[in-house]
Amino acid sequence: AQSVTQLDSQVPVFEEAPVELRCNYSSSVSVYLFWYVQYPNQGLQLLLKYLSGSTLVKGINGFEAEFNKSQTSFHLRKPSVHISDTAEYFCAVSEQAAGNKLTFGGGTRVLVKP
Amino acid sequence: DADVTQTPRNRITKTGKRIMLECSQTKGHDRMYWYRQDPGLGLRLIYYSFDVKDINKGEISDGYSVSRQAQAKFSLSLESAIPNQTALYFCATSDAGQHQPQHFGDGTRLSIL
Repeated sequence: AQSVTQLDSQVPVFEEAPVELRCNYSSSVSVYLFWYVQYPNQGLQLLLKYLSGSTLVKGINGFEAEFNKSQTSFHLRKPSVHISDTAEYFCAVSEQAAGNKLTFGGGTRVLVKP
Repeated sequence: DADVTQTPRNRITKTGKRIMLECSQTKGHDRMYWYRQDPGLGLRLIYYSFDVKDINKGEISDGYSVSRQAQAKFSLSLESAIPNQTALYFCATSDAGQHQPQHFGDGTRLSIL
């Protein structure tokens, strides 16, 4: 069975500083990888996804993520954060040939400070 | 108007009560899902439906049931609510296809006393 680990439950960061959110997964088969963002009192919105091809994926709001198959990681980065990036971020995986059921990590709460 | 609408947004009820959470969508997607969110655990899949006649258990289906009334409607029921079912519940939809992203409603915050 697949599993997803987000190594940091909370990440405080100053405005305009870079941020990296770590995600590792385990699966015995090929996977699709996703990052979602949840703003306060809202549902989840897709930030970006990796399906195949280039291992560097660019998403909305200046975020990008890099797929590393040998390390089974899919870390999310942004070079310069804004106050509006304060939210919870979820990494998720979907095993190929298993429909599009998602397994989520525990989430990383990002607090951007002025 | 939201593409995925959940009702109610908040509900407080007592142990032993039957509760229904409703989800409707205007996206025209065949696939619908119910998740619960607990702090530190992320989202866990309760039930999912790939079309009106297809219902499947997810990771944590015990104590829950679902009904797919139409392509656009998917409801979640707690037959006899217990306090450890207090959580934030999300409905999601997606197109068919293994790589299609899911689209989420704004959630229902359920408290069971």
